[in-house]
Amino acid sequence: DADVTQTPRNRITKTGKRIMLECSQTKGHDRMYWYRQDPGLGLRLIYYSFDVKDINKGEISDGYSVSRQAQAKFSLSLESAIPNQTALYFCATSDHDTLSSYNEQFFGPGTRLTVL
Amino acid sequence: DAKTTQPNSMESNEEEPVHLPCNHSTISGTDYIHWYRQLPSQGPEYVIHGLTSNVNNRMASLAIAEDRKSSTLILHRATLRDAAVYYCILKGGGAQKLVFGQGTRLTINP
Repeated sequence: DADVTQTPRNRITKTGKRIMLECSQTKGHDRMYWYRQDPGLGLRLIYYSFDVKDINKGEISDGYSVSRQAQAKFSLSLESAIPNQTALYFCATSDHDTLSSYNEQFFGPGTRLTVL
Repeated sequence: DAKTTQPNSMESNEEEPVHLPCNHSTISGTDYIHWYRQLPSQGPEYVIHGLTSNVNNRMASLAIAEDRKSSTLILHRATLRDAAVYYCILKGGGAQKLVFGQGTRLTINP
């Protein structure tokens, strides 16, 4: 079984609809992240959470919100979807920091979202 | 976050070594150099990381210039499965965020 799972894997929706993307992990990591990827570009950070009570905005958080329901679950919501939010969305997890700063991020398989 | 510069694309042949360059002239003393790769239709995966010394693991080697202003990811014997986009990322000690650039799209010819 995959360590980081995302649901749904594909979603087509209409402008103005509320959408929730879900991420679950079995790695026991404290830290979780949401990224989006547009065609031909690298990933951009939307939100990240260091533990259940900690939520932080990334570089492109406008139009998105998140909820950390438990250590293992981190959801991303689009309150009112718009076409330029069409993208590939990735969830990732990592362990807490160490002296060596080695905290590899483990990524889920991605959710392809299309907003018409 | 310090910026990295990579070629947009590279091409190599199967079973040959591949050297993927990355320039990071504004790197700070506490920045680690991380490499991730993204296979087609998958999320990124960690490849290797280093600070000052060259590093080896089962996937690749990382050669870091003495002045740390550049580094090279070395795939010793490329396979078709190594075709991916490779991202070179700087991350400071304690920082949790990975800042992805556009990466290098590596094509492996059979």
